[in-house]
Amino acid sequence: NAGVTQTPKFQVLKTGQSMTLQCAQDMNHNSMYWYRQDPGMGLRLIYYSASEGTTDKGEVPNGYNVSRLNKREFSLRLESAAPSQTSVYFCASSEAGQAGRYEQYFGPGTRLTVT
Amino acid sequence: SQQGEEDPQALSIQEGENATMNCSYKTSINNLQWYRQNSGRGLVHLILIRSNEREKHSGRLRVTLDTSKKSSSLLITASRAADTASYFCATDQGGKLIFGQGTELSVKP
Repeated sequence: NAGVTQTPKFQVLKTGQSMTLQCAQDMNHNSMYWYRQDPGMGLRLIYYSASEGTTDKGEVPNGYNVSRLNKREFSLRLESAAPSQTSVYFCASSEAGQAGRYEQYFGPGTRLTVT
Repeated sequence: SQQGEEDPQALSIQEGENATMNCSYKTSINNLQWYRQNSGRGLVHLILIRSNEREKHSGRLRVTLDTSKKSSSLLITASRAADTASYFCATDQGGKLIFGQGTELSVKP
């Protein structure tokens, strides 16, 4: 039982390049989330998927797109990376229902640097 | 916008002492959660307290919630060096979980 897994662990991009961050969970959770964490700040929600087939914007969605590929997988895409997107990205999952009602399980994170 | 704000931002104590962290929030909530993050790792859920609860315990953790003051506190008793981490409160807002900026706890052996 791996929980929530993320790939890659580290990535360096040049400005304008694109990439996809992958996330998978094996807990049969319906809801999945993407957050970013910047130094000295808490986590900010980028996008979330309350259930398979649905996605919604969070607090900071600009510059990102997401795909809920199936119940297990939720990917985050940067179409044209910018230095402001340098951050640590976390994927999380939880049982169905409103986001705050259940605990969320987090992956280990992806450290992204955009030069 | 940040819903929860932790206080203090950083806390340094000796092993065996108690650590208290506070969280204030702005709007009404259904529940409040506390998470721990070790350096370079993802967040780990510690405890969830519902709006109709005033206090909750889990091992060495004690969480209180005062909805009239819109505040919560996390107490770690008999702290250990392994408790060194950042601690975040999170509240539900519009169906989403909103995190505070965290308290960085350092427990010296």
